[in-house]
Amino acid sequence: DAGVTQSPTHLIKTRGQQVTLRCSPKSGHDTVSWYQQALGQGPQFIFQYYEEEERQRGNFPDRFSGHQFPNYSSELNVNALLLGDSALYLCASSLGALRRKQYFGPGTRLTVT
Amino acid sequence: TQLLEQSPQFLSIQEGENLTVYCNSSSVFSSLQWYRQEPGEGPVLLVTVVTGGEVKKLKRLTFQFGDARKDSSLHITAAQPGDTGLYLCAGDRPLNAGNMLTFGGGTRLMVKP
Repeated sequence: DAGVTQSPTHLIKTRGQQVTLRCSPKSGHDTVSWYQQALGQGPQFIFQYYEEEERQRGNFPDRFSGHQFPNYSSELNVNALLLGDSALYLCASSLGALRRKQYFGPGTRLTVT
Repeated sequence: TQLLEQSPQFLSIQEGENLTVYCNSSSVFSSLQWYRQEPGEGPVLLVTVVTGGEVKKLKRLTFQFGDARKDSSLHITAAQPGDTGLYLCAGDRPLNAGNMLTFGGGTRLMVKP
């Protein structure tokens, strides 16, 4: 039973560039949430996708966008990268948008130089 | 400003000692979750507390939810080096179309042998 997988594991980008991160949810799950975890801090909610639509959004600018595919996998896109976007990006999946139990992937470490 | 405040931020203790981590908020949560995160990995759910005053035990770990559902504590008895990690509390505030977790800043625990 595959857990949540994310790719790539590490990524280095330059300021102003764009990045796409990918997430495959745990088998049987249909909801994906994305979080940003800056070094030494707790994760911050970015947004949640369910039935291929963005259902909830945290306090992040429009530079952060996402998508969910029919197979429930998801992408997080960040445009016009800033140094402050350097962080661990976590994907969490659950069964149904209202379920409390979320399973987290190992994250993608993004470094912006 | 963190909606959930965790204390202490850092804790370094000897094997066998007891410790308590606190998670406080001025907001009411429908449930509160505790996670443990190790370097290079995503958070792993330890427990969910739902009812005010609820106490849950997981081997040497005891979790308590405050009567008003605004705060929680995690107590570890006879800590072991394997308990080392980042402990995160997260509040669940279901919204109309989904739920989002609000995380505290984390408590980084190091247990020395």
